[in-house]
Amino acid sequence: DARVTQTPRHKVTEMGQEVTMRCQPILGHNTVFWYRQTMMQGLELLAYFRNRAPLDDSGMPKDRFSAEMPDATLATLKIQPSEPRDSAVYFCASGLWGRGSTDTQYFGPGTRLTVL
Amino acid sequence: AQSVSQHNHHVILSEAASLELGCNYSYGGTVNLFWYVQYPGQHLQLLLKYFSGDPLVKGIKGFEAEFIKSKFSFNLRKPSVQWSDTAEYFCAVVDMRFGAGTRLTVKP
Repeated sequence: DARVTQTPRHKVTEMGQEVTMRCQPILGHNTVFWYRQTMMQGLELLAYFRNRAPLDDSGMPKDRFSAEMPDATLATLKIQPSEPRDSAVYFCASGLWGRGSTDTQYFGPGTRLTVL
Repeated sequence: AQSVSQHNHHVILSEAASLELGCNYSYGGTVNLFWYVQYPGQHLQLLLKYFSGDPLVKGIKGFEAEFIKSKFSFNLRKPSVQWSDTAEYFCAVVDMRFGAGTRLTVKP
């Protein structure tokens, strides 16, 4: 049963520290999304990649957030420096987009980030 | 820009009541529409999706949704809810932008 995995599942850090979250998409999926979920803002799309190329990162604060896909099996979301307002659950999702595909996202379990 | 709006922030129902959650979208291109569910403490799971064809889409767990192009709507329905349907429900459009979500609480 293929699943999206995310590490760490929980992260508590202090303001100003660097935070790196990792995501392993389902093998064969060509599209990876990063979302942030908070009570106030709901589910926000931060960025997404297709075939490892960033397609849209307009939802991401550029000054402190960065997202990359070093290879097809790993996506990373980095916050440097972190701030208390970054506290949220960060979800990664992957899917297969294109002709004949399902265009459906499969979500990972999320990383719960707390910045003190 | 594409947008999705969900009218109801929090819906409270008794078991066996019928459910309808509203979703309206603003999008000019080919419309792919989705409903996801997030059970407490869990990640999002796909309930159903519409790409083309029959505008009445049936999903898992007895849910269905109807695409009404003239109203730009894709409302989620279930004829009889159960306590286990307590969750947050999200509508999404083709570029994977989600609505704010509707929290459903079903009282036993």
